[in-house]
Amino acid sequence: GQNIDQPTEMTATEGAIVQINCTYQTSGFNGLFWYQQHAGEAPTFLSYNVLDGLEEKGRFSSFLSRSKGYSYLLLKELQMKDSASYLCAVSGRDDKIIFGKGTRLHILP
Amino acid sequence: EAGVTQSPTHLIKTRGQQATLRCSPISGHTSVYWYQQALGLGLQFLLWYDEGEERNRGNFPPRFSGRQFPNYSSELNVNALELEDSALYLCASSHRQGHEKLFFGSGTQLSVL
Repeated sequence: GQNIDQPTEMTATEGAIVQINCTYQTSGFNGLFWYQQHAGEAPTFLSYNVLDGLEEKGRFSSFLSRSKGYSYLLLKELQMKDSASYLCAVSGRDDKIIFGKGTRLHILP
Repeated sequence: EAGVTQSPTHLIKTRGQQATLRCSPISGHTSVYWYQQALGLGLQFLLWYDEGEERNRGNFPPRFSGRQFPNYSSELNVNALELEDSALYLCASSHRQGHEKLFFGSGTQLSVL
């Protein structure tokens, strides 16, 4: 089976840094995705990790450790518009892309 | 370039009826995914179509079915609707499943009364 865990909710302050963790157990592994979803909108792609290590893209970075079944999304210089749900998703051996329940991030001024 | 389009935006049905949801992928994409997003449950994988064939399905009963047409658009059918089928149904497309990012449509909000 496949299982993806991430915190339900997090709160951070504007201008700060926040790290959203994701742990997974899957049958096979092709890659790990992070998506952002604002309330009432469709998810949008943020990052994709296949190999271990850190991928940096502007204010957002994503880290992967395949041996530990662990990833995190790092958001720097938080802005109010970053208030959203962040979804961790894994592509397994059968090529299905399975999503976690998402982490709702609240940004305080 | 047009994104993934879904229709209708909203759909209201009564228990026992059938619902048909439609999705047009981004031009050039051959893979279409369907997900159900119910309150508090996250995105639940429903179906995956690629090149006109069903490649995989999630843990949903057989009354959830669909198909992909030669132009790669797709249809999701839900028979014998139940109250708990009320959810946002999201369609996503990609070039090649498993290794490519998904592009999502805005979804169809299905309400079963």
